[in-house]
This record gives sequence, structure tokens and C-alpha cells, in this order.
Amino acid sequence: DVKVTQSSRYLVKRTGEKVFLECVQDMDHENMFWYRQDPGLGLRLIYFSYDVKMKEKGDIPEGYSVSREKKERFSLILESASTNQTSMYLCASSSKSGYTFGSGTRLTVV
Amino acid sequence: GENVEQHPSTLSVQEGDSAVIKCTYSDSASNYFPWYKQELGKRPQLIIDIRSNVGEKKDQRIAVTLNKTAKHFSLHITETQPEDSAVYFCAASSDGNNRLAFGKGNQVVVIP
Repeated sequence: DVKVTQSSRYLVKRTGEKVFLECVQDMDHENMFWYRQDPGLGLRLIYFSYDVKMKEKGDIPEGYSVSREKKERFSLILESASTNQTSMYLCASSSKSGYTFGSGTRLTVV
Repeated sequence: GENVEQHPSTLSVQEGDSAVIKCTYSDSASNYFPWYKQELGKRPQLIIDIRSNVGEKKDQRIAVTLNKTAKHFSLHITETQPEDSAVYFCAASSDGNNRLAFGKGNQVVVIP
């Protein structure tokens, strides 16, 4: 089974802090994605990457950046956290067989 | 870009009845349509998918139908059980699993 592991299940950060959300997959997938999930808004794509050092903006990239230095790791960075970034963040990787999601990180910005 | 819409947003059914969720998409180039199920507190998981070269696909109690002309596809769950209670996301892509556009999700509640 493909495993997508997100480093934290719950995080509480203060406004203005720099926040790193880490995601690691173990099946050599080239594609990786970061989504945020909010009630009534579904899954919204923040950033994605097709390969090492490559990144593409999704639908809501403002206030976020990403890093993919190694194929298995895709990091989401909140440069200066704000309360409207309080959300559930889901990482995913994909192959021809479909997307595999991580368990999610629930981030609260206070 | 692709826009995927799901209807209804919430669906309640009696155990044993059927449930149908419909999605519409905007990009006529889309050719891959998966469905993901997310149980409470868990990650979304792929349950069934269909490609544009077929009109219907079944897997036990679930099936997906595709109408390319009308640009809509539907998930059918027969003989619903309490464990079918979840949020269901449809998605569409013109590029396989390289980038999916997800709908906002449907909450399905199966009443025992």
C-alpha cells in the first residue's frame, strides 16, 4: 500500500508565525499535491508538483509556498500564518491508480 | 479550468434504499472521472472511477454512469448500509491523475 504521511495531525500556531507542513510518500510517485478542506468548500488545490524542484500554483496559492527538494517529500509553507488559514490540510500523491491522501493536518492559527 | 459541481449537497436515505449523487463538469476535454469517499475523521479514498470510453462501470453495490453529451456523471449506491454514510467527492480530469478538479462533496447519511 502506498503511504502518504503527514508529520502532524494537529497544530496550533500564532498569527505571523512561519509554519511548515511536511508530507512524505513512499512509492516513488512523481505527482504530489496540497489541498485545504473547509466545510462547504470541498477540496481546494493550493499547490502541486510533478517532479523534484518543480511546482505549480493551484487554485488558491496566495499566502502559501511549497518546496520539493526530494521526490518523496513535499512541504507546504505558510510564510506568515493568518487566522483565515485555519483549516484541514491534506497532502496527496498520485499514480495511474489514483490519488492517495495523507491523514491530514488540522491547523489552527490563533 | 475545469469546474465540477455536485448535487445535492446532502442526501439522507433509509437503510436498504438506493442513493444517487450527480456531478456536472464544464471541460469537454475531461476524460477521467473518479469518486472518492471520506468517512468521518478519515482520509478520502478512491472507490470507483470511469473513463470516457465507457458509459457505465459497476463494482458490487456501487456503480458510476457517464453521459458525455450532457457532461454529467453519477454515483449509484444500491442497498445502502450504515457504513455508506460519508462525504463523497466526484472529480474530473483531462490528464488522468496528474491533476483532478474536485467537486465540493456530498454528505450521504444512511438512516438505520
